[in-house]
Amino acid sequence: DQQVKQNSPSLSVQEGRISILNCDYTNSMFDYFLWYKKYPAEGPTFLISISSIKDKNEDGRFTVFLNKSAKHLSLHIVPSQPGDSAVYFCAASAQSNYQLIWGAGTKLIIKP
Amino acid sequence: DVKVTQSSRYLVKRTGEKVFLECVQDMDHENMFWYRQDPGLGLRLIYFSYDVKMKEKGDIPEGYSVSREKKERFSLILESASTNQTSMYLCASSPYHRSSYEQYFGPGTRLTVT
Repeated sequence: DQQVKQNSPSLSVQEGRISILNCDYTNSMFDYFLWYKKYPAEGPTFLISISSIKDKNEDGRFTVFLNKSAKHLSLHIVPSQPGDSAVYFCAASAQSNYQLIWGAGTKLIIKP
Repeated sequence: DVKVTQSSRYLVKRTGEKVFLECVQDMDHENMFWYRQDPGLGLRLIYFSYDVKMKEKGDIPEGYSVSREKKERFSLILESASTNQTSMYLCASSPYHRSSYEQYFGPGTRLTVT
């Protein structure tokens, strides 16, 4: 049973526009959420995170929004750039352990 | 800057061979993890370790074992490689007293079993 779901396997966005990547979760014990970016043949790299006590966190072009009642988070990238083309993973953690639970990933393609 | 290194970027092995994947981190992290990544399945945890000589099974430990004799090194062992273990293997580490839950990843090993 997938506790973290990324329902869009891929997303194509025009350069300069907004990219919105979505993630849903089922476990109400999750209290911390992270987004990672992964290029082919490389390990994932941390992008941005949010604690469950917040509903928004911003870092430059990247903003993560958390809607606890809907158990939904989203990553907004504005403006989208060619270098943003990658696979984006959503991950969640509960305070009780060290593990991250991962979504299946969304491949973002930025079109020129 | 955290650095996690993996012994090989690409590896080709035959069915039935014993395979060792090595991971080393230089940030004195207590926790280390082994994942495999397959298309459409995300990252699946194989094993993790929160201290030297300690190990815990993840979601898919079957066919794998691990060894952690030193804090900085975490090895993944495929006792008898099979074709369904062809995958990207990722090692990660994180500090015990985490403030951000963040895990730091190595570049990955693309293993092909023929």
